[in-house]
Formats: sequence, structure tokens, C-alpha cells
Amino acid sequence: DAGVIQSPRHEVTEMGQEVTLRCKPISGHNSLFWYRQTMMRGLELLIYFNNNVPIDDSGMPEDRFSAKMPNASFSTLKIQPSEPRDSAVYFCASTLQGLVEQFFGPGTRLTVL
Amino acid sequence: EDQVTQSPEALRLQEGESSSLNCSYTVSGLRGLFWYRQDPGKGPEFLFTLYSAGEEKEKERLKATLTKKESFLHITAPKPEDSATYLCAVRGGSQGNLIFGKGTKLSVKP
Repeated sequence: DAGVIQSPRHEVTEMGQEVTLRCKPISGHNSLFWYRQTMMRGLELLIYFNNNVPIDDSGMPEDRFSAKMPNASFSTLKIQPSEPRDSAVYFCASTLQGLVEQFFGPGTRLTVL
Repeated sequence: EDQVTQSPEALRLQEGESSSLNCSYTVSGLRGLFWYRQDPGKGPEFLFTLYSAGEEKEKERLKATLTKKESFLHITAPKPEDSATYLCAVRGGSQGNLIFGKGTKLSVKP
């Protein structure tokens, strides 16, 4: 029984490059969340989708960040251009609307040099 | 503004030494307080949800309690495998999103 799948697990890039993080939620789940975790700020919600529609993107830090969910089984988080302060672990989580528990993926560790 | 504060930031215990982790919160209209466990290099894993003051939930050596201003995660006779970061989160208002604290890193030495 596959959980939330994220790729890549690690990404090292140079400042100014475009970065795309990918997430496959658990089959049947209709809510998807993107989080960012740093030592300084902890775990912060960036954006979440219900039924593939963005509901709240108030946590997206800047216009350099964008997220899409073209279908129920795939979502992307894109950073363009990337900056060193974007270095963090990015988590994707999914759930079935109405459920209490969010199921987290293993995360993508992003390093921007 | 909704806010979650966890203390201590780090806690070192000897195996068998019971203790408690604290989660203080301010939220408009609490719609649930959540405890998650996070192991190094992994995503958070759900433990408990509490909804109203006085509610308690237990799982193995862990017991979570809730008051109107804070929640405690009590760890009874911990084992080394309980070592992890424990995250507290609240859901409030009309939004479905969770607001997380920064966590307490627990280390249990044999």
C-alpha cells in the first residue's frame, strides 16, 4: 500500500535555476497540501488543494513559487528562480476531505547554492 | 493570529524516566489539536487528535491531554525507540489547514 510519493528526494541546484518538486498523493485522497520545513520557522503550510482546486495559497512566500494539480494523482511545486533562502525540506501531504489525519510523504530536501 | 508554542525545544531522558511535553496554543475557534511524531529524514506521522478540554487519548506509552490553553503529551517509562521530534498542531477558524509548532526533540538514552 503506497503512501504519498515525492520526487526527487534530494535536489541540489544553483541560485537562479528552476526547481520542480513532484508529489503523488494516496489514491482516493482528494485534499493535498504542500509544506516547507526549516529549523527557524518549523513546518509551514504553503498551499492546499481540494478536488484539484487551490483553496488557500496564502502561505506561498513569493511569486517565484507556483503550484499546480492537473489531476487527482499528481501535483507540482515550482520555484523559479530559486534562491539560497529557499533551501528547506518540502513535504507533500494528502487526506480525504473530512478525515482527521494528514498523511505525509518523505519530503524533498532542497539545497540552493 | 493563531499560534502554537512547544516546550521544551529538546528533552533528554533516561530509559524509564517519565516526563511531559507541552504545547500552548492561541486559536480562534479550536477545531482540533493534533500530535505528530517525526523521525529523522521522514515526514510527520499522525498520533492523536483532541477536540475539547478534558479529553484524553492514549497509545502505548503516550497519553495526550487537552485544556483550553494547552496540551500535554505524557510519556510513561520511555524507551529508546520513542526518540523523535514531536510536533503539535492546531486547526481553527474556517480554514482546513493546520498550524504547527516547532516541535520538541526527544532523546531517550538506554
